[in-house]
Amino acid sequence: DSGVTQTPKHLITATGQRVTLRCSPRSGDLSVYWYQQSLDQGLQFLIQYYNGEERAKGNILERFSAQQFPDLHSELNLSSLELGDSALYFCASRRSLNTEAFFGQGTRLTVV
Amino acid sequence: GQQLNQSPQSMFIQEGEDVSMNCTSSSIFNTWLWYKQDPGEGPVLLIALYKAGELTSNGRLTAQFGITRKDSFLNISASIPSDVGIYFCAGQGGQSSGGSNYKLTFGKGTLLTVNP
Repeated sequence: DSGVTQTPKHLITATGQRVTLRCSPRSGDLSVYWYQQSLDQGLQFLIQYYNGEERAKGNILERFSAQQFPDLHSELNLSSLELGDSALYFCASRRSLNTEAFFGQGTRLTVV
Repeated sequence: GQQLNQSPQSMFIQEGEDVSMNCTSSSIFNTWLWYKQDPGEGPVLLIALYKAGELTSNGRLTAQFGITRKDSFLNISASIPSDVGIYFCAGQGGQSSGGSNYKLTFGKGTLLTVNP
């Protein structure tokens, strides 16, 4: 158990819908990363927050947004869902730049 | 965006054999990390490397941070069936992160199959 909690574990939804994925980082970790993993693309970096502020952005679509709350949990919002958004979404947390990133077990999103 | 070139894409080996995989980048990184992912699970950190030239071991695993800071390798000795999974390298910081020291960039993974 990495200490990073992601909910829900599985999500099935229809095209055009909006979903929210939640991540609770390890206790004491200020930094949260979001990644998308599909079969042919590996782990694609989406966005990173540190203590509530956005610090780095990857190839995140405009239909996707995220935030980190004062209690340090983070949410990834995916809207106007398309079939191609079906993937595993991982959250990772770390204490600082010189420490390791620990991953949650992921949310498997299926868009039908 | 920045990509890491990880090779090989897949490997099929016999139990007891040694395995080697590597990652290269056109730009430098300040940190190299190696993760393993089992089916349906999140990646789990195996080894972290923070200094160029650093050689670090974790049981049967050995990894090195290349002296040029543009590459890293992972060796697994005396493989066992539970070594099966996907191994990812990841780099952080340096020129490749577009000015951000925070972004972790992953390779596409090496799928390891171990035949008992």
